[in-house]
Amino acid sequence: EPEVTQTPSHQVTQMGQEVILRCVPISNHLYFYWYRQILGQKVEFLVSFYNNEISEKSEIFDDQFSVERPDGSNFTLKIRSTKLEDSAMYFCASSPGHPLGYEQYFGPGTRLTVT
Amino acid sequence: GNSVTQMEGPVTLSEEAFLTINCTYTATGYPSLFWYVQYPGEGLQLLLKATKADDKGSNKGFEATYRKETTSFHLEKGSVQVSDSAVYFCALSRETSGSRLTFGEGTQLTVNP
Repeated sequence: EPEVTQTPSHQVTQMGQEVILRCVPISNHLYFYWYRQILGQKVEFLVSFYNNEISEKSEIFDDQFSVERPDGSNFTLKIRSTKLEDSAMYFCASSPGHPLGYEQYFGPGTRLTVT
Repeated sequence: GNSVTQMEGPVTLSEEAFLTINCTYTATGYPSLFWYVQYPGEGLQLLLKATKADDKGSNKGFEATYRKETTSFHLEKGSVQVSDSAVYFCALSRETSGSRLTFGEGTQLTVNP
């Protein structure tokens, strides 16, 4: 069964460094997303991406964040200058879109630890 | 804006007990509703969904019915197993493709043998 994959599974970085989190969505899906889950808190939406552009973003997704689909298969989230409060589990998701369904399929996540 | 409220956890049950996890929502229009499950150390997995009022989603013995009159989508299972121990998230999305998911707080379920 097709699945969303994410790399790395765990990333440790120092405050102020740039990180890139990588995702490979399910191949025939059209919509791509990033969410994050700070330890012990609810899952929060960051951004959605469709047709090579951002379709929606939350207030969390400020100028420090960017997304890219560089080669038609990978989907990346870049944090330019990490802060301690960026420590969280980051989930990538993809969705086939209408009419095939609205559900989103999640990857296993990347745990980002900022020290 | 859209929001989802789940019953407070954690919930601890004995094997074969009946499970209910309450979920209510606030949304404009006709959202789609989902239950996701997160097993220890893993990502989110779609458990079941319902896309219109009175629809019943079901999977692996779990059920939830989309109740527009009470804006609820309660998760139920008649007989839980130890392997059902996980965190359960209720979520909604707007009725259009590509919409964000809005999650509830999550409910930790522990099933003891």
